[in-house]
Amino acid sequence: QVQLQESGPRLVKPSETLSLTCTVSSGSISTYYWSWIRQPPGKGLEWIGFIYYNGGTNYSPSLQNRVSLSIDPSKNQFSLKLTSVTAADTAIYYCARDRQWLGEEGWYFDYWGQGILVTVSS
Amino acid sequence: SYVLTQPPSVSVAPGETARITCGGDNIGTKSVHWYQLKPGRAPVVVIYYNNDRPSGIPERFSGSNSGHTATLTISRVEAGDEADYFCQVWDSVGDHRLFGAGTKLTV
Repeated sequence: QVQLQESGPRLVKPSETLSLTCTVSSGSISTYYWSWIRQPPGKGLEWIGFIYYNGGTNYSPSLQNRVSLSIDPSKNQFSLKLTSVTAADTAIYYCARDRQWLGEEGWYFDYWGQGILVTVSS
Repeated sequence: SYVLTQPPSVSVAPGETARITCGGDNIGTKSVHWYQLKPGRAPVVVIYYNNDRPSGIPERFSGSNSGHTATLTISRVEAGDEADYFCQVWDSVGDHRLFGAGTKLTV
């Protein structure tokens, strides 16, 4: 069973950069797409972006100017950086594995981390 | 951009059937996936590709998708089903993933 675990600072000051890492265990990071998703308190899920094991990325249009994803297959980890954060970036951040079944159209998330609450506050 | 519409809340008594809808323009032409979120736990996919159920998800969970509405149906609802449920689709134009706003199921 693939397991994902988010890690990083839980408190970030406004205008600084939020940095999180997702460690994948019991499975290889290779040949898959990996996403970051967040949920602000009391609100819905928001997809942030995905990264492919070869480094290819795609970001949500609403965040693409501030977000960057990276991946380190040798460590089975991928990471998120979100710049110039404000209180609106306070959220539970999840990492997840993207999955598409052969012959099917569309992607979904078959494995998720437990999430990490990141608060933006001075 | 494509918008998914879910009712904010659904309330049912134990043993009854809960139906949670996800509306979108011609959503019947897309594949819809459903997730269950409980506080402090990793989200779980309960239905993928409209009506497929992952191993470990009870048969009480089923899905349908036609026209402008996809529906997650939970039969014989139990107290443990109380959670937030989100629908999700793939936006083929931008290769993005989109979520509905979520529905809180109260049992």
